[in-house]
Amino acid sequence: EDKVVQSPLSLVVHEGDTVTLNCSYEVTNFRSLLWYKQEKKAPTFLFMLTSSGIEKKSGRLSSILDKKELFSILNITATQTGDSAIYLCAPPHNTDKLIFGTGTRLQVFP
Amino acid sequence: DTGVSQNPRHKITKRGQNVTFRCDPISEHNRLYWYRQTLGQGPEFLTYFQNEAQLEKSRLLSDRFSAERPKGSFSTLEIQRTEQGDSAMYLCASSFYQGFSYGYTFGSGTRLTVV
Repeated sequence: EDKVVQSPLSLVVHEGDTVTLNCSYEVTNFRSLLWYKQEKKAPTFLFMLTSSGIEKKSGRLSSILDKKELFSILNITATQTGDSAIYLCAPPHNTDKLIFGTGTRLQVFP
Repeated sequence: DTGVSQNPRHKITKRGQNVTFRCDPISEHNRLYWYRQTLGQGPEFLTYFQNEAQLEKSRLLSDRFSAERPKGSFSTLEIQRTEQGDSAMYLCASSFYQGFSYGYTFGSGTRLTVV
């Protein structure tokens, strides 16, 4: 059965710290992996990863995929209080529905 | 384009009542998805449409749940005889699918509370 496991489940840091969020997956006919940030409402898109070893970067956020080891990481450098959210990874199933993990809850304190 | 729109934002209902939610996808998108999210969990897939055809339903979707997408535009999700366990955030998403999904975008959700 397809599954996604994220770790840690929860993370509490101070502003300025760097964090690494992990996502491991087992999905039939893997094609891509999506990362989302969820505050109080809808998940908002961060990255789509399709190729191993190629880092995607957006400001202080970056992500990379390892298709051989079936995992992805999301890095956030110089964290800010506005980064506090739940971070979700989701590979699409072969029918295109997203399979979500439970997410990592990040809390950044000043 | 204002993204994926969901109405209502919040719904409180008594157990046993029927409720209906609406989702308006991004206009160019041909796929529309419904997910359910409970506290502390990631979203769980319920069903999806390509244009007006409902292509897959999760086993989570009991016979009290029905979804439609007439004319391949907006979609409705109806829950009959609501139960307290139906309390959750119901999320809609849409994408443009052509061999691969592009622009997978979520709406802000409808939070259902069954009392």
